[in-house]
Amino acid sequence: NAGVTQTPKFRILKIGQSMTLQCTQDMNHNYMYWYRQDPGMGLKLIYYSVGAGITDKGEVPNGYNVSRSTTEDFPLRLELAAPSQTSVYFCASSYAARTDTQYFGPGTRLTVL
Amino acid sequence: RKEVEQDPGPFNVPEGATVAFNCTYSNSASQSFFWYRQDCRKEPKLLMSVYSSGNEDGRFTAQLNRASQYISLLIRDSKLSDSATYLCVVNPGQGGKLIFGQGTELSVKP
Repeated sequence: NAGVTQTPKFRILKIGQSMTLQCTQDMNHNYMYWYRQDPGMGLKLIYYSVGAGITDKGEVPNGYNVSRSTTEDFPLRLELAAPSQTSVYFCASSYAARTDTQYFGPGTRLTVL
Repeated sequence: RKEVEQDPGPFNVPEGATVAFNCTYSNSASQSFFWYRQDCRKEPKLLMSVYSSGNEDGRFTAQLNRASQYISLLIRDSKLSDSATYLCVVNPGQGGKLIFGQGTELSVKP
C-alpha cells in the first residue's frame, strides 16, 4: 500500500505558467482533499471531493481547478501561476467524512517566480 | 476570531518535562476533533482523536471541553523525538472538511 502519492515533489514556475499537481491514493477512499500550507501557517483547504465526479470548493479555491474522474486520482490544476501561489501543497484522503482520519501525501513544494 | 486558535509557540522544554498545548474553536456545532503532528517540512500525521470523555495514548492525553470549546494535549516525560509542530484540527461537520490551527512548535532539548 503506497497510501497517498504526490508528484512532483518540487517545482519552480514562472509567473503566468500553468501546471498540474498529481495526487493518487490506493486505499479506495471516497474523500479526497487539496490543502496549501504557507510558512508558519496552518493548512487551508483549496478543493475537496466526496467521490468520483463530485468536487466542491474549500476556503481558498481562486486560481485553482480540480477534477475527479476516478476514485484514485485527484489532480489540482494551477492556471496562470502567481507568486501568491508559492506554497506547499498537500493532498489527503479519507474513507468517510465525519470522524475518519485523513491521510496525507508527502507534499509538493511550489515556487512561483 | 480564527476558527481554530492555538497557543503561540515555540515551546522549548528539557527532556522529561511535561508540556500542555491549548486550542480553542469558534464553531459550537463542530463534530470531531484531532491532534495531528507535523515534522519539519513533512506531511501532517494523525496523533490522536479527541473524545468528550478524554483519552490517553501512552504519554499523550487529550481533553475536550465542549462547553468552553476548548481542546488540550498533554505530553508527559517529553522525548527528543517529540520535537515537532502540533496541529489542532476540528471537523465542523461540513462534508469532511477539516479546519487546522496554525500549529504549536515543540522543541525538546537534552
